[in-house]
Amino acid sequence: EAGVTQFPSHSVIEKGQTVTLRCDPISGHDNLYWYRRVMGKEIKFLLHFVKESKQDESGMPNNRFLAERTGGTYSTLKVQPAELEDSGVYFCASSPRWDGGAADTQYFGPGTRLTVL
Amino acid sequence: GNSVTQMEGPVTLSEEAFLTINCTYTATGYPSLFWYVQYPGEGLQLLLKATKADDKGSNKGFEATYRKETTSFHLEKGSVQVSDSAVYFCALRDTGRRALTFGSGTRLQVQP
Repeated sequence: EAGVTQFPSHSVIEKGQTVTLRCDPISGHDNLYWYRRVMGKEIKFLLHFVKESKQDESGMPNNRFLAERTGGTYSTLKVQPAELEDSGVYFCASSPRWDGGAADTQYFGPGTRLTVL
Repeated sequence: GNSVTQMEGPVTLSEEAFLTINCTYTATGYPSLFWYVQYPGEGLQLLLKATKADDKGSNKGFEATYRKETTSFHLEKGSVQVSDSAVYFCALRDTGRRALTFGSGTRLQVQP
């Protein structure tokens, strides 16, 4: 079974440009999450999809970030326009339909390293 | 709000040494606790987890016990190997939320 994949693995852009990150979750996983790690600090939650619906977007830093998950499969995270402080590693994770258990496991992708110059 | 505090790294050990990486947390509910590991060039992998007080999670020789009285979930391994060199992240998921709250990560370097 394929794991969570993310594209691209690295992206270098200039301030003011637009970048779109893509995440393909594990097939059949209803839940999809975006996180990011900035400047080697803690990994912070951005948002959570259940299928195509945004369940929790409390971690989105501002309106320059737009996440979509059309059809409830892959997801994109667009940053427009990018700022220097957006540099970091963006992780995507997925998990199966939640059965109410406390031990729900999120499976992470390798991340996209974004550098804004 | 919720938070996770980990010891700062890097932690450098010789092969076969004993490992402890400290993790303490603050949460409003009754969280589940996790340790994730990121090997060089790879994504985060779940290492172990515990869902209630006094539970012990274990995997690949690593252990961590959920201590509610000290709000801690310290990671231990009796004898580390060079292949354990990685970044280790402690995390929690609070009651009623799906999002994980992570610590800042601890880099472990094991020398032969």
